[in-house]
Amino acid sequence: NAGVTQTPKFQVLKTGQSMTLQCAQDMNHNSMYWYRQDPGMGLRLIYYSASEGTTDKGEVPNGYNVSRLNKREFSLRLESAAPSQTSVYFCASSEWAEAFFGQGTRLTVV
Amino acid sequence: GQQVMQIPQYQHVQEGEDFTTYCNSSTTLSNIQWYKQRPGGHPVFLIQLVKSGEVKKQKRLTFQFGEAKKNSSLHITATQTTDVGTYFCAGTKNTGNQFYFGTGTSLTVIP
Repeated sequence: NAGVTQTPKFQVLKTGQSMTLQCAQDMNHNSMYWYRQDPGMGLRLIYYSASEGTTDKGEVPNGYNVSRLNKREFSLRLESAAPSQTSVYFCASSEWAEAFFGQGTRLTVV
Repeated sequence: GQQVMQIPQYQHVQEGEDFTTYCNSSTTLSNIQWYKQRPGGHPVFLIQLVKSGEVKKQKRLTFQFGEAKKNSSLHITATQTTDVGTYFCAGTKNTGNQFYFGTGTSLTVIP
């Protein structure tokens, strides 16, 4: 089992560019999440999806959009990247218990 | 704002010393989980506590959930270099299945 797979692992964007971070899980979990991690800030929830077809804003949704394509996949899109979005992004999935995290995407916006 | 706070933010200990991190929520939690993140890695689940006043042990690690279900602690006895990393608590509320992560405590163990 792969668990939670995120792509890409690293990305450098110029200000104003757009990109989509991909996430897929093979554990048949209903809930999926996107977090960003910044030094001293812990993990902050961007968006989550409690089940296929539903998405909800988390703590820091501005500048992001998400799509729950099916039960397996949950993507995060940056329409117009800004330097403030430089961070490490983690996707996670869960089924009412522990959360399983992907390996993370290190994004730098210059 | 941040609903779950952890202290301290950083802790340096000599190998063999004990370590404790504290997690405090502004609201009552349904349950609390603890995660460990090694440098450069991703958070990995350690344990979940559900009951008020619950205490669980995993070898040298002791986890407690407060009576009011608003705070929790992780205590490591006789730290080892393999304990290095950032420890996060994460709480969930009865209203949904969001995880509210704490700010984390970064542990450095000096050999």
